[in-house]
Amino acid sequence: GAGVSQSPSNKVTEKGKDVELRCDPISGHTALYWYRQRLGQGLEFLIYFQGNSAPDKSGLPSDRFSAERTGESVSTLTIQRTQQEDSAVYLCASSLSAGASYNEQFFGPGTRLTVL
Amino acid sequence: AQKITQTQPGMFVQEKEAVTLDCTYDTSDPSYGLFWYKQPSSGEMIFLIYQGSYDQQNATEGRYSLNFQKARKSANLVISASQLGDSAMYFCAMREAPGSNYKLTFGKGTLLTVNP
Repeated sequence: GAGVSQSPSNKVTEKGKDVELRCDPISGHTALYWYRQRLGQGLEFLIYFQGNSAPDKSGLPSDRFSAERTGESVSTLTIQRTQQEDSAVYLCASSLSAGASYNEQFFGPGTRLTVL
Repeated sequence: AQKITQTQPGMFVQEKEAVTLDCTYDTSDPSYGLFWYKQPSSGEMIFLIYQGSYDQQNATEGRYSLNFQKARKSANLVISASQLGDSAMYFCAMREAPGSNYKLTFGKGTLLTVNP
């Protein structure tokens, strides 16, 4: 089957605009994660979904960031009133479940966001 | 305090030689997992190898092996017989106990360059 897909691959926006990033996880994967990677840095955890449980939003940097997921399917990450500091690659990952000690996270290709 | 420390911003190795990429971690949880990912210039995150905290033997996957020293909290990646295609960023990551929602905490990465 297909891997994790993300769209758009690139997004250039003006400061103050809202953006929406999409992630399609691997079919059957109940766990979904969003990460942010700033230029030259490692990945920072943003938010986690597991099935129909309440998401873990502990990594979201501000209330301008929000994310939704319907069941075990597509997720959207929304950034409102974008700032230049939001420029980064946003990576989505999915895994079979979060309940096992080892579950590899499969990453999508990312969305490169540039805020002018 | 940093949970994952990669002290080598950049490493160089000659083709066909072995190279060790360092990773130390910090956790008080007895149950955790350690991962290494490769990120080529194209940006995708490629899973390489996993070591569980209770695993008795060091993990190996083809040319990749993990030198796991639990008492020293280190999980170094060893790449044998380096190839030009190994040139990439390498990230060490940790996944802690179930209460952490299984997110991965990443180090800042090491840029490996393989010279012909």
